[in-house]
Amino acid sequence: DAKTTQPPSMDCAEGRAANLPCNHSTISGNEYVYWYRQIHSQGPQYIIHGLKNNETNEMASLIITEDRKSSTLILPHATLRDTAVYYCIVRGFTSGTYKYIFGTGTRLKVLA
Amino acid sequence: EPEVTQTPSHQVTQMGQEVILRCVPISNHLYFYWYRQILGQKVEFLVSFYNNEISEKSEIFDDQFSVERPDGSNFTLKIRSTKLEDSAMYFCASRNPSGRQETQYFGPGTRLLVL
Repeated sequence: DAKTTQPPSMDCAEGRAANLPCNHSTISGNEYVYWYRQIHSQGPQYIIHGLKNNETNEMASLIITEDRKSSTLILPHATLRDTAVYYCIVRGFTSGTYKYIFGTGTRLKVLA
Repeated sequence: EPEVTQTPSHQVTQMGQEVILRCVPISNHLYFYWYRQILGQKVEFLVSFYNNEISEKSEIFDDQFSVERPDGSNFTLKIRSTKLEDSAMYFCASRNPSGRQETQYFGPGTRLLVL
């Protein structure tokens, strides 16, 4: 089972910041938090990842709480093209491999 | 920017037929994965592959499934005798082994329809 919980859906006005929360209360010290998104049925697209420090790249920012039990993905100026399902994944090393266990994600709808 | 590619984009087959789904991972990546997504459901891990052998496989990946890296560029998923429930999107992913480059990059997927 996925180690993360996310709200099933969110709306955001175009041009506003979209803040997508994720709970991962059972995360271990060496497990990273990854964010991907999936537009329609396309392949999951990598957005950002982090361990304990906040991270920013050209797509988004990732805020991880100090206890690492939750995180927030921030899309600073959402556009209609950001409408997608967003997945928060805790990636650990199990059975010798770094597989991803996807949850159901958050369906973000950006409204004009 | 390098990307994972998959062929075909769509495949329709009759139940019981064999299918081979092809992937070209990013060229300097060493770890390879297959995932699948049944329509309306979650993305599910099938198998990981490194150094010409399977690292891990899920319970979905039964004897009807096999993977191969026949040359230096392709990574294939074979389903020997397809079933109706194999209808899904199949995604290939690859990653580099070290440091912050351990991110998996996914291909666009192959939509398999078994009739």
